Amino acid sequence: AQSVTQPDIHITVSEGASLELRCNYSYGATPYLFWYVQSPGQGLQLLLKYFSGDTLVQGIKGFEAEFKRSQSSFNLRKPSVHWSDAAEYFCAVVAGGSYIPTFGRGTSLIVHP
Amino acid sequence: KAGVTQTPRYLIKTRGQQVTLSCSPISGHRSVSWYQQTPGQGLQFLFEYFSETQRNKGNFPGRFSGRQFSNSRSEMNVSTLELGDSALYLCASSSGQGTNTGELFFGEGSRLTVL
Repeated sequence: AQSVTQPDIHITVSEGASLELRCNYSYGATPYLFWYVQSPGQGLQLLLKYFSGDTLVQGIKGFEAEFKRSQSSFNLRKPSVHWSDAAEYFCAVVAGGSYIPTFGRGTSLIVHP
Repeated sequence: KAGVTQTPRYLIKTRGQQVTLSCSPISGHRSVSWYQQTPGQGLQFLFEYFSETQRNKGNFPGRFSGRQFSNSRSEMNVSTLELGDSALYLCASSSGQGTNTGELFFGEGSRLTVL
């Protein structure tokens, strides 16, 4: 069965600084990979997804993620963080043939002014 | 296009009672999934319905059940509530087929508190 690890429970950055959130997955083949964001009191919103092809994918709100097969990673990045980016970020993986993502435990992003 | 709507948004129940939560998916979506979110366990998959049939099921006791109607609206029910059932219950809809596998559209959730 597939699994997802987000090693950082909390990340604190200053507004305007760059951001990288880590995600590692465990799955025998190339999975489908996702990043979702959850603002306080809200449901989850899809930021970006990787199915195949170019390993650097662009998402909404200026986010991007890079798939690295050799490291089983799918890290999320943003060059300059805004205060409104403070939220919970979830990495998710879907095994081939399934429609049900497995979510990581999430990383809480705190943005200091 | 209207998003995923969950009702009620907040509710308080006591142990032993039962609760029913409702979810209206995005128009045209035939798959509805339910997740339980708690600080200790994160996001845990409950079940998924596709075209009125339960297609996938997570590892929850039989007290948790669901159904889907012909218009794709879904309900989940929790019977004999326990304190540990206090959580945010999230509903997500998707096409459930084709290449959009795993791409979910979430509602804002139903916050259940069990006293």
